[in-house]
Amino acid sequence: QQKVQQSPESLIVPEGGMASLNCTSSDRNVDYFWWYRQHSGKSPKMLMSIFSNGEKEEGRFTVHLNKASLHTSLHIRDSQPSDSALYLCAAPMNYNQGKLIFGQGTKLSIKP
Amino acid sequence: GALVYQYPRRTICKSGTSMRMECQAVGFQATSVAWYRQSPQKTFELIALSTVNSAIKYEQNFTQEKFPISHPNLSFSSMTVLNAYLEDRGLYLCGVRLGGAETLYFGSGTRLTVL
Repeated sequence: QQKVQQSPESLIVPEGGMASLNCTSSDRNVDYFWWYRQHSGKSPKMLMSIFSNGEKEEGRFTVHLNKASLHTSLHIRDSQPSDSALYLCAAPMNYNQGKLIFGQGTKLSIKP
Repeated sequence: GALVYQYPRRTICKSGTSMRMECQAVGFQATSVAWYRQSPQKTFELIALSTVNSAIKYEQNFTQEKFPISHPNLSFSSMTVLNAYLEDRGLYLCGVRLGGAETLYFGSGTRLTVL
């Protein structure tokens, strides 16, 4: 069964620091991902997506994708307390069937 | 911008009873709706994918008999949790897809508490 694995399970970063989150798919047909952010008590909101090998930057957020290793990472620089949330990585399930499966998430806490 | 309304936001039901939740897309056509459950342990499970004019596809461990879904048009979908028990507790999310794009946009979720 296809899986999306995220690490670490939880992460504490001081305010202003860099947070790095990882995600890997077990399905070799999957080579693109989404990152969602879910604040406590809220629903997930799409943060960034990446479809091409390499790097994509939006403000303080940078996403890397390595298709060969089926690995993506999300990096948050100059972390703010408002970045504290559950970060979910998603990948398409069984290519072209229109389903997304999610990893278990990384709980990020930014300490002032 | 695209909006996805989901209601109720919270619901409490007695063990063995049923509850219905609804998902409304505003401002766009929702070609498909995916229903997910996020359990108290924070696992994120796909329940079913519903595409207008196609059969609803349920994932392993989820059945139509337990989670019947209605998707009558491009702006509305509903799901019922029948005979809810403690293991059905969690946050139920509808994720909507716009046109041919694969990105899912989630509603606010329905948090189900079972007593």
